[in-house]
Amino acid sequence: NAGVTQTPKFRVLKTGQSMTLLCAQDMNHEYMYWYRQDPGMGLRLIHYSVGEGTTAKGEVPDGYNVSRLKKQNFLLGLESAAPSQTSVYFCASSYSMHRGVEQYFGPGTRLTVT
Amino acid sequence: AQSVSQHNHHVILSEAASLELGCNYSYGGTVNLFWYVQYPGQHLQLLLKYFSGDPLVKGIKGFEAEFIKSKFSFNLRKPSVQWSDTAEYFCAVNARNTDKLIFGTGTRLQVFP
Repeated sequence: NAGVTQTPKFRVLKTGQSMTLLCAQDMNHEYMYWYRQDPGMGLRLIHYSVGEGTTAKGEVPDGYNVSRLKKQNFLLGLESAAPSQTSVYFCASSYSMHRGVEQYFGPGTRLTVT
Repeated sequence: AQSVSQHNHHVILSEAASLELGCNYSYGGTVNLFWYVQYPGQHLQLLLKYFSGDPLVKGIKGFEAEFIKSKFSFNLRKPSVQWSDTAEYFCAVNARNTDKLIFGTGTRLQVFP
């Protein structure tokens, strides 16, 4: 099993450009999450999904959109990138958010917006 | 709203020293508690978790944590750290009526030989 994979690993964008980050999991998990990690701020939840076809906002959703058309994939889109979106983005998945079930994380995507 | 506080932002220890990292959360209901670790250049992985039962939980690599409900705390401990424990440690809380995991800001641990 590959677990949780993310593409791309690195990306540099100019302000105003758009891009999509792809997260894929092969564990048949229902729940998927996108976080951003910034120095001194820990991980903050951007958007999440509790099943195929569903999405919900997290703590910092502005400037991002997501889609979950297939159970195994969760896409994060930046329509018009801003320097404030320079960050490391992590995707995670879990089969539940109950009974102390853990989340499994991908390797991250380092995005720089100039 | 839920929040998680990790008061130690950067901890520097020598090998064999004891470690305790603080974690406090604000939520009055029932919670699931986690410690995740991120080794340099790697993704987050679970160190240990508390769901129910014995409030003293043991994790991988000799780590343990104690849930003290009255203090809203879930501090991480290790009696003797190793150089390989150098990493960033994140406490996280899930309130049981929500689908979200709220992370603390992290503690960077550096262990010198």
